[in-house]
Amino acid sequence: GAVVSQHPSRVICKSGTSVKIECRSLDFQATTMFWYRQFPKQSLMLMATSNEGSKATYEQGVEKDKFLINHASLTLSTLTVTSAHPEDSSFYICSARDRLAGISYNEQFFGPGTRLTVL
Amino acid sequence: AQKVTQAQTEISVVEKEDVTLDCVYETRDTTYYLFWYKQPPSGELVFLIRRNSFDEQNEISGRYSWNFQKSTSSFNFTITASQVVDSAVYFCALSEAEAMDSNYQLIWGAGTKLIIKP
Repeated sequence: GAVVSQHPSRVICKSGTSVKIECRSLDFQATTMFWYRQFPKQSLMLMATSNEGSKATYEQGVEKDKFLINHASLTLSTLTVTSAHPEDSSFYICSARDRLAGISYNEQFFGPGTRLTVL
Repeated sequence: AQKVTQAQTEISVVEKEDVTLDCVYETRDTTYYLFWYKQPPSGELVFLIRRNSFDEQNEISGRYSWNFQKSTSSFNFTITASQVVDSAVYFCALSEAEAMDSNYQLIWGAGTKLIIKP
């Protein structure tokens, strides 16, 4: 149980195009999903937290107009990198928190990640 | 302020050696959770363990063991008889349960790259 999928796993695009990454919780409902970015040889950096049906909360320094997050249902959140540039090339990871998880079960389930390369 | 420190950037050992990865954390909450994740070259994070702040029992799972010491704010991870397949980056993370606006975010350490040489 507690499987999170991401699609696509790898994407290469031209500079200036927009790329959408999907994050799905397959066997549970996720009220909260998190989007991370990871540069080579670095730790995960939280970009934003999205709660189903409300606007995402972005971390300081993350451009909300650049990284559009939509958490339209309890099983799907999307991250759209708009007008991507080479500096946006990175590994993007989503995670989800089970709606039924109480405070005593504080865990995020991670997707396999999406490797974005912008040429 | 909350913080997770993994002081070892990279560790290299020969197969079958034991190796300990250090993790030191800072938090003002009395209720919190500590995690270890493994990230192999594929990039997918592999959950290893979750420990809550009220459970100081050490845990052993096969060749893996964890030593939680609240007195020193440490949650160290030991691999016994290491194998080449253990080569990966290992992350320690903290989640505070009491911060109402935290959304249970994870605070990540910088990671330790473990290289097991044959």
